[in-house]
Amino acid sequence: DAGVIQSPRHEVTEMGQEVTLRCKPISGHNSLFWYRQTMMRGLELLIYFNNNVPIDDSGMPEDRFSAKMPNASFSTLKIQPSEPRDSAVYFCATKADTGGPQHFGDGTRLSIL
Amino acid sequence: SQQGEEDPQALSIQEGENATMNCSYKTSINNLQWYRQNSGRGLVHLILIRSNEREKHSGRLRVTLDTSKKSSSLLITASRAADTASYFCAWASGAGSYQLTFGKGTKLSVIP
Repeated sequence: DAGVIQSPRHEVTEMGQEVTLRCKPISGHNSLFWYRQTMMRGLELLIYFNNNVPIDDSGMPEDRFSAKMPNASFSTLKIQPSEPRDSAVYFCATKADTGGPQHFGDGTRLSIL
Repeated sequence: SQQGEEDPQALSIQEGENATMNCSYKTSINNLQWYRQNSGRGLVHLILIRSNEREKHSGRLRVTLDTSKKSSSLLITASRAADTASYFCAWASGAGSYQLTFGKGTKLSVIP
């Protein structure tokens, strides 16, 4: 099992640019979560999908952030336009509806200059 | 914190010693989980304890839960250098228990 795969692992870009983070969930996992991790705020849930449908996006900080899950094998988190305060590590995690823990990818370390 | 605390924030011990990390939360929960994060990696699930359980063991890990005090502890016995990592508690509450709220974590350093 390849686990949750995130890309890119690192992204450095200038303020104002569009950033797209990608996640491939574990096959068969129906739930997908996007988190953001910073030193100041710790790990925060941004959005939760179940069966490709967004269920809870209350953690999305503002309209500059959007997430999609067009199919069971792929999800994206987009920031447009990006700002320096968006710099963080973004994690994708997935979980089977039948139970069990959340499985995390290794994250994307995002730096906005 | 509005959600909870973990203490200590950092812990440094010698190999072979036991490490204890504490977690407090502020809501009613369905279960509480502990995760480990190595530097530059994602979180890895260690153990889950349900709200009606008081203690659970897994290998060198022992977790306790006191719902009256809204607190949990993680004990790692006979620590190894490879246990060096950050440890996070996370609690699930509400309908469906899908949402996890994470503590700020304890950074454990085990010195060989």
